[in-house]
Amino acid sequence: DGGITQSPKYLFRKEGQNVTLSCEQNLNHDAMYWYRQDPGQGLRLIYYSQIVNDFQKGDIAEGYSVSREKKESFPLTVTSAQKNPTAFYLCASSQASAGANVLTFGAGSRLTVL
Amino acid sequence: KQEVTQIPAALSVPEGENLVLNCSFTDSAIYNLQWFRQDPGKGLTSLLLIQSSQREQTSGRLNASLDKSSGRSTLYIAASQPGDSATYLCAVRRKNTDKLIFGTGTRLQVFP
Repeated sequence: DGGITQSPKYLFRKEGQNVTLSCEQNLNHDAMYWYRQDPGQGLRLIYYSQIVNDFQKGDIAEGYSVSREKKESFPLTVTSAQKNPTAFYLCASSQASAGANVLTFGAGSRLTVL
Repeated sequence: KQEVTQIPAALSVPEGENLVLNCSFTDSAIYNLQWFRQDPGKGLTSLLLIQSSQREQTSGRLNASLDKSSGRSTLYIAASQPGDSATYLCAVRRKNTDKLIFGTGTRLQVFP
């Protein structure tokens, strides 16, 4: 079945550590996105990529980094520079071409900083 | 700057009621608008997508309308069921960009 797989589902981190969240899709989508979700707030865009080897900062990119070496993979690294990293992280993908552009989401990864 | 607001923030209704969830946006220069459903601790599932040139979309018991000039969309849920309990989010895609701007969601509970 086609879809998006995020791992790990739950992750605990000590302050000062970098962690990497995995996002893999087999939908042959060109565009991929990372969002952060906090209680009582809408999803906020961290980074997005419309094509391999290219990505753009979203609205809250500080303290995060990404790579897009393969079409199907878009890992997110939460660095120690991110001051408040505890959140629910959602990866999504879509066809980059104009049209319906329906967004497909993964199940999410919950990061807790101890 | 595009802002998306959803009212009400939470809603609790008995089974069988027809519901209207509201979404408003400040900039009418949108490419499309999507409605999503999110179950607790899970990712989002796309329900309906309305292109800026369309007025409404329907899927089963769900109907979404779009009034771009007034910056509003509504999600109508007919004959609500306990399985409809979830958070419903709307998101607009701005023109000439691949970004979606999300609202904060409406948390719906349908009790038997």
